[in-house]
Amino acid sequence: QKEVEQDPGPLSVPEGAIVSLNCTYSNSAFQYFMWYRQYSRKGPELLMYTYSSGNKEDGRFTAQVDKSSKYISLFIRDSQPSDSATYLCAMSGANAGKSTFGDGTTLTVKP
Amino acid sequence: GAGVSQSPSNKVTEKGKDVELRCDPISGHTALYWYRQSLGQGLEFLIYFQGNSAPDKSGLPSDRFSAERTGGSVSTLTIQRTQQEDSAVYLCASRISGVGTDTQYFGPGTRLTVL
Repeated sequence: QKEVEQDPGPLSVPEGAIVSLNCTYSNSAFQYFMWYRQYSRKGPELLMYTYSSGNKEDGRFTAQVDKSSKYISLFIRDSQPSDSATYLCAMSGANAGKSTFGDGTTLTVKP
Repeated sequence: GAGVSQSPSNKVTEKGKDVELRCDPISGHTALYWYRQSLGQGLEFLIYFQGNSAPDKSGLPSDRFSAERTGGSVSTLTIQRTQQEDSAVYLCASRISGVGTDTQYFGPGTRLTVL
């Protein structure tokens, strides 16, 4: 079993929809939780970074961490066609060293 | 502004040949990572450099893979005697840490194809 499992998708939603992207993990040592967006043939781009349980909001994006359930989510409000990309969750231990990534969820937002 | 750069952007090689992939991190970033990404997959950690500490090599898949970081800046990933299963995109990232921030920036990757 992988340390990080990500809902595989793909997801296709209409413009303006609320999108929920989810990952579960098994390693209780993970302390840092990240979401990356990756456009085709590009490197991943860090979207959100959280430390510990709770919510963090940045514009249309909200990252949620529930350590008791070992579950993290990324919510995208008022989704736009430009949000169409692959979203990767990632986690690392207390020293923020190497990160373990999910396999990614491909999102398509249709105009 | 200067981000993380990688070269070459594409590399096609024959099975059994050695290849070198280069990463130029953002100036001042103390940490540097190498990952590889196979088609439709997430990122597989390979190696991590942090300042002058010994690198974390725990992700290197075999002894054909090695990496070095010279002068705390540029890094080279070397794959000896390449195999077809080495075909992937090799991504480099650098990170700066500080109070309230821990941001990792990725380069565009090197797409390696082993024929």
